[in-house]
Amino acid sequence: DIQMTQSPSSLSASVGDRVTITCRASQSISRYLNWYQQKPGKAPKLLIYAASSFQSGVPSRFSGSGSGTDFTLTIGSLQPEDFATYYCQQSYTTPRTFGQGTKVEIK
Amino acid sequence: QVQLVQSGAEVKKPGSSVKVSCKASGGTFSTYAIRWMRQAPGHGLECMGGIIPIFGTANYAQKFQGRVTITTDESTSTVYMELSSLRSEDTAVYYCARDYYDSSGSWNYFDYWGQGTLVTVSS
Repeated sequence: DIQMTQSPSSLSASVGDRVTITCRASQSISRYLNWYQQKPGKAPKLLIYAASSFQSGVPSRFSGSGSGTDFTLTIGSLQPEDFATYYCQQSYTTPRTFGQGTKVEIK
Repeated sequence: QVQLVQSGAEVKKPGSSVKVSCKASGGTFSTYAIRWMRQAPGHGLECMGGIIPIFGTANYAQKFQGRVTITTDESTSTVYMELSSLRSEDTAVYYCARDYYDSSGSWNYFDYWGQGTLVTVSS
């Protein structure tokens, strides 16, 4: 199975901050990398697919980049509703695998 | 609008089995894979396996091979996940999700999710 490693596992930030989360795959996955946001008690919500493509309705402050093994999710200006846990997920092969998550907390 | 509606919470004894359903409505059912994930309390997401209803053949993550069975009933647009030999570590919220592929056929992602089913394993 492809292992996905996110960093950091948690971070504290203030409203308006720029936040960057990284994700590394254990082997090259081209751009088969998706990002999700999850709030407590809810199912994950797709933000970015194919490493950098926006899902419809996702605010433009979210952006993704990378290819191969290294990927980044950036939140350009953190808003109160962005405090949540973020997961990367590879869709290069099955079984699909997720990073362990990055919890974004209020500073 | 696609909806995936899962069956309700379950409490099970160690050693028993649980079967969770995921009923789809509002979109194409047969040609997209439905995959099952689980999330233990305070932990991340783990993919257990999935099935493409039109083909009917499931594949499973190695960790769950021999313990999980995923089936489909096309007549009711429902996918089932059965986990056997339950132990306390299987206590988790179980999710189904549609593994969508875009119009180019190149990119896959989970676009619709069920609401989650809490399975509690306790003696």
